Amino acid sequence: NAGVTQTPKFQVLKTGQSMTLQCAQDMNHNSMYWYRQDPGMGLRLIYYSASEGTTDKGEVPNGYNVSRLNKREFSLRLESAAPSQTSVYFCASKLDLRGLQFFGPGTRLTVL
Amino acid sequence: GESVGLHLPTLSVQEGDNSIINCAYSNSASDYFIWYKQESGKGPQFIIDIRSNMDKRQGQRVTVLLNKTVKHLSLQIAATQPGDSAVYFCAENPGRRNYGGSQGNLIFGKGTKLSVKP
Repeated sequence: NAGVTQTPKFQVLKTGQSMTLQCAQDMNHNSMYWYRQDPGMGLRLIYYSASEGTTDKGEVPNGYNVSRLNKREFSLRLESAAPSQTSVYFCASKLDLRGLQFFGPGTRLTVL
Repeated sequence: GESVGLHLPTLSVQEGDNSIINCAYSNSASDYFIWYKQESGKGPQFIIDIRSNMDKRQGQRVTVLLNKTVKHLSLQIAATQPGDSAVYFCAENPGRRNYGGSQGNLIFGKGTKLSVKP
């Protein structure tokens, strides 16, 4: 039982390049989340998927798209990366409305 | 606006001492609170949680206290060890529709860095 996994762990992009961050969970959770973490800002919600087949915007969705591929997988795509998207990205999942989220190890993204 | 915040951004304690990390929340409708620990280069890890119908909950070496009167949450770590050095976040479930979406979207504090001196 690996919990929440994310790939890649590190990535460097040039401005304008695109990439997809992958996330998978093996806990049979219904809800999945993408956050970014910046110094002094705490965790900010980008997008979430309350259940398979649905996605919704969070606090900072601009410049990102998501896909809930199936119950296990939730990907985050940057179509045209910008330096402002340099951050650490965390995926999380949650079984139900109880609120306890489990986090992945993070992806450290640098956009030059 | 609503917020979850921490009184102290950094906390330095001696190994073996008890640590207390504080958190203020502003949403009286919040019904669930969580403490996370984040070590350098890793994702947040669940430590302990508490529901709004409780005042205190104990785990292994950790205790969470909830004071709804003053909207205050604290995490107490007994006999702090070097392995406890990390950033600690509180999070609240506001118990309402958030960001135009479903209930259950947590709001996170910025974190307190705990440093344990040997």
